[in-house]
Amino acid sequence: EPEVTQTPSHQVTQMGQEVILRCVPISNHLYFYWYRQILGQKVEFLVSFYNNEISEKSEIFDDQFSVERPDGSNFTLKIRSTKLEDSAMYFCASTPSGWGPATNEKLFFGSGTQLSVL
Amino acid sequence: DAKTTQPPSMDCAEGRAANLPCNHSTISGNEYVYWYRQIHSQGPQYIIHGLKNNETNEMASLIITEDRKSSTLILPHATLRDTAVYYCIAFRDDKIIFGKGTRLHILP
Repeated sequence: EPEVTQTPSHQVTQMGQEVILRCVPISNHLYFYWYRQILGQKVEFLVSFYNNEISEKSEIFDDQFSVERPDGSNFTLKIRSTKLEDSAMYFCASTPSGWGPATNEKLFFGSGTQLSVL
Repeated sequence: DAKTTQPPSMDCAEGRAANLPCNHSTISGNEYVYWYRQIHSQGPQYIIHGLKNNETNEMASLIITEDRKSSTLILPHATLRDTAVYYCIAFRDDKIIFGKGTRLHILP
């Protein structure tokens, strides 16, 4: 079965540094998402992306976050100046078409990037 | 907001059927019920979804009550590899919202 691929699996950075988390969504998918999970807490929605622009974002997704689809295959999450509280597992997800409660689609998740901010 | 209620944890003996309940009394008529699971800290994994009829696939069965206010995910022969947190999915403004889910322990 096709997979969403995320790299790196682990990223360690110093507070204040910029990080870019990379994702390769499934090839025919058009909608892309980032979620995060702080250790021991719930999986939280960050942002959705379609047609080269943000569709929706949560209150977590502030000005230090940005997303980009730099080419036909990659989808990236950039954190400009990392804080200690950004330490979390970050999951990328994709779906062929807009995914919501009435769309009868599946949302596919990658295996995540564990970000540790020191 | 569509909201779900699940027990925080459940135990099931290996080889037995695991029945995980979910209440979703505010679900709208055209909204599907989705189930995902998360094994350790891996990415959430799709299990099954349904609208009003019962559904079955290679992983599980989904029983949705006629009034659609609740559903039950059934893992017919639970194995140790089914130890995970199981999420019955709610939606808000077309975003998937994960609750705390049910932590399923499979007992050898």
